[in-house]
Amino acid sequence: AQSVSQHNHHVILSEAASLELGCNYSYGGTVNLFWYVQYPGQLLQLLLKHFSGDPLVKGIKGFEAEFIKSKFSFNLRKPSVQWSDTAEYFCAVNYNNNDMRFGAGTRLTVKP
Amino acid sequence: EAQVTQNPRYLITVTGKKLTVTCSQNMNHEYMSWYRQDPGLGLRQIYYSMNVEVTDKGDVPEGYKVSRKEKRNFPLILESPSPNQTSLYFCASSLMDPNTGELFFGEGSRLTVL
Repeated sequence: AQSVSQHNHHVILSEAASLELGCNYSYGGTVNLFWYVQYPGQLLQLLLKHFSGDPLVKGIKGFEAEFIKSKFSFNLRKPSVQWSDTAEYFCAVNYNNNDMRFGAGTRLTVKP
Repeated sequence: EAQVTQNPRYLITVTGKKLTVTCSQNMNHEYMSWYRQDPGLGLRQIYYSMNVEVTDKGDVPEGYKVSRKEKRNFPLILESPSPNQTSLYFCASSLMDPNTGELFFGEGSRLTVL
């Protein structure tokens, strides 16, 4: 069965540090890739997505992600985090059959 | 305001007592889906619906039922809840299937089965 792995369960950074959250998925043909974010007390919302084209995609709030097909990865990055980036981040993969699979999530804590 | 509304937000019940979690969206979305979120397991899809009267099993459908009689509503039914169904449940909708549209999530329903 297809699966999505997020390597870090909890990441703690200081403000201005760089962020990279790992996401790997199992092979399943054509995939569409997403990162969702859940800020404390708020709804899950889309951060960015990749369907086709440029493997580097930019999302809201300065986040970006790179799709590396050969590595089955879609890592999320931000050059300089802020306290307001404290949230839980979910990688999600859709395998073209509406089988939308989510990773276990990574909790990011940014210390002021 | 465009939104996905779930009720109840919190519920404590006992084993075997049938319950329904309602989900309603006001965005005229064809696609709706239910997920459960458990620590260390992320969000797992329970059921989804591509349109009215069309529903399909997701990753973990056992113990759940759904119906899609109207476009805006997609209730989740637990006919005989068990403690392993204690979880945080999210309903989501999308303009089309998740291949091309983003999912809009409800606030979540925290269910405890004793």
